[in-house]
Amino acid sequence: DVKVTQSSRYLVKRTGEKVFLECVQDMDHENMFWYRQDPGLGLRLIYFSYDVKMKEKGDIPEGYSVSREKKERFSLILESASTNQTSMYLCASRPGGTGGQETQYFGPGTRLLVL
Amino acid sequence: GQNIDQPTEMTATEGAIVQINCTYQTSGFNGLFWYQQHAGEAPTFLSYNVLDGLEEKGRFSSFLSRSKGYSYLLLKELQMKDSASYLCAVYTGRRALTFGSGTRLQVQP
Repeated sequence: DVKVTQSSRYLVKRTGEKVFLECVQDMDHENMFWYRQDPGLGLRLIYFSYDVKMKEKGDIPEGYSVSREKKERFSLILESASTNQTSMYLCASRPGGTGGQETQYFGPGTRLLVL
Repeated sequence: GQNIDQPTEMTATEGAIVQINCTYQTSGFNGLFWYQQHAGEAPTFLSYNVLDGLEEKGRFSSFLSRSKGYSYLLLKELQMKDSASYLCAVYTGRRALTFGSGTRLQVQP
């Protein structure tokens, strides 16, 4: 059974703080993703990684960075948190290759509130 | 650009059938996924279509027409536990899925 875990379910931070969101998957998947989910906007891709130390920008990368030092772990970093980054953050992983039939497996999400 | 449209909300009655539509305009197409997401939880995989036609899986079926850029998810014999958001997502071959904004389904007794 695929398992994707995220370090926190709920997080409260102050404006300007540096925030780390951690994601770990146990299925040796090559691809990992960070999305944010907001009402009416759906899931929007922030960054993804297709291999260790490799990363690509998604649709809304501004204000975020990522780190993938180990295959199983993908971190999202908010360098200086702002109130408009209050959101639900979802991590996902997917096996390698570009074939379309493999689904993405999601973690439980981190609900971040920036005050 | 990518555009995936779904209705925002739908209401249906327990025991009934409901159809949730999804239309898409994307640069590339390598398959369409449907996910279910209960409030406060992660999305979970329901179905995948890459060829035209209907895929049936128990009470849930999903249909795809690539020429029309159209899919629907059909839920039969609705149960209260089917109250959730249903997300349509397209795989364009860019390694990540592109999601619609989701349809919130409320099942009433």
